[in-house]
Amino acid sequence: GNSVTQMEGPVTLSEEAFLTINCTYTATGYPSLFWYVQYPGEGLQLLLKATKADDKGSNKGFEATYRKETTSFHLEKGSVQVSDSAVYFCALSGGAGGTSYGKLTFGQGTILTVHP
Amino acid sequence: DTGVSQNPRHKITKRGQNVTFRCDPISEHNRLYWYRQTLGQGPEFLTYFQNEAQLEKSRLLSDRFSAERPKGSFSTLEIQRTEQGDSAMYLCASSLGEAKGSQPQHFGDGTRLSIL
Repeated sequence: GNSVTQMEGPVTLSEEAFLTINCTYTATGYPSLFWYVQYPGEGLQLLLKATKADDKGSNKGFEATYRKETTSFHLEKGSVQVSDSAVYFCALSGGAGGTSYGKLTFGQGTILTVHP
Repeated sequence: DTGVSQNPRHKITKRGQNVTFRCDPISEHNRLYWYRQTLGQGPEFLTYFQNEAQLEKSRLLSDRFSAERPKGSFSTLEIQRTEQGDSAMYLCASSLGEAKGSQPQHFGDGTRLSIL
């Protein structure tokens, strides 16, 4: 079945540092890939997505590129802010065909803390 | 902005009692999903509906769990004879339905269930 593996956390950075959160996946076919973010006290929000190989999703200065050859979808941001402190989840949908196209499979989440 | 709404926000109950949660999706979304999230983990898929039809149910889901979406709008998730292990955050999400699963899911704030 489908699975998603995220880098171990938590990640602690200083403001303006470069961020990478690694995400790799296992799925047959061509899944859609997502990053969701959960800010303290809030629900899950879509951050960005990519639906085919070599697509780059981007939003709020974050980027991730769908790499089918390495089955990866790493999240990056060039200069983090204190307000980026949150839990980040990598997820995938589809790829196995049939009824599996409906559900999201999530990684375990990575806690990011950014200090001033 | 009428996002996904879940009620109640918190539910505390004694072991062995039945509980029911409600989810109101975004009105134009025909797909509705239920997930469960425990501390430090990513959300885990439970079940999903396209309109009123329940298309998939997790094999890990106990027979004590049942979900309905009788008119293709709101949904309820019922847990019968609750156990300590049922303590978790129960998340509802909705999306537009299409074959590939590339449409993002929009999440509610969840119902936190605590079993005494």
